Amino acid sequence: EPEVTQTPSHQVTQMGQEVILRCVPISNHLYFYWYRQILGQKVEFLVSFYNNEISEKSEIFDDQFSVERPDGSNFTLKIRSTKLEDSAMYFCASSELGIAGQGSYEQYFGPGTRLTVT
Amino acid sequence: AQSVTQLDSHVSVSEGTPVLLRCNYSSSYSPSLFWYVQHPNKGLQLLLKYTSAATLVKGINGFEAEFKKSETSFHLTKPSAHMSDAAEYFCVVSDRRGFQKLVFGTGTRLLVSP
Repeated sequence: EPEVTQTPSHQVTQMGQEVILRCVPISNHLYFYWYRQILGQKVEFLVSFYNNEISEKSEIFDDQFSVERPDGSNFTLKIRSTKLEDSAMYFCASSELGIAGQGSYEQYFGPGTRLTVT
Repeated sequence: AQSVTQLDSHVSVSEGTPVLLRCNYSSSYSPSLFWYVQHPNKGLQLLLKYTSAATLVKGINGFEAEFKKSETSFHLTKPSAHMSDAAEYFCVVSDRRGFQKLVFGTGTRLLVSP
């Protein structure tokens, strides 16, 4: 069964460093998402991406964050200068379509990357 | 704006007894509703979804949920709990008008004792 994969599973970085989290969505999916879950808190939406551009972003997704689909398979989240409060589990998700009535729009999640900022 | 409220942060049951995890939603539009499960150190797995078809939705592993518009509820049930059901369960709402930003509840941790 196709699945979303994420690398690395755990990333440790120092405050102020740049990190890139990588995701490989399911191959025929067109919509991509990043969510995060700070320890003990609920899962929060960060950004959605379609047709090589951001379709929606949350207040959390400030100028320190960026997303990119550098090739036909990868989807990345970059944090330019990490802060302690960026420590969280980051989930990538993908869906076949995003508009109701036009195919499946269920979001399939990857296993997550645990980011620890020290 | 959409939101979900999961009424219990923890639910404890004995193996073989019924499970009820409660969820109430708020949405300005016709919502899609989901239940996701997260086992320890694992990702989020979709259990079931409601998308305006049948109000009683069956999912994987014997779980089901009923959409009740009058009560704005989408409670998750299972007739008989297994030890393997112990996990965190998230009620999730999205706006079916367009791009599918998911809004998660705070989660309910299900504990199953022998």
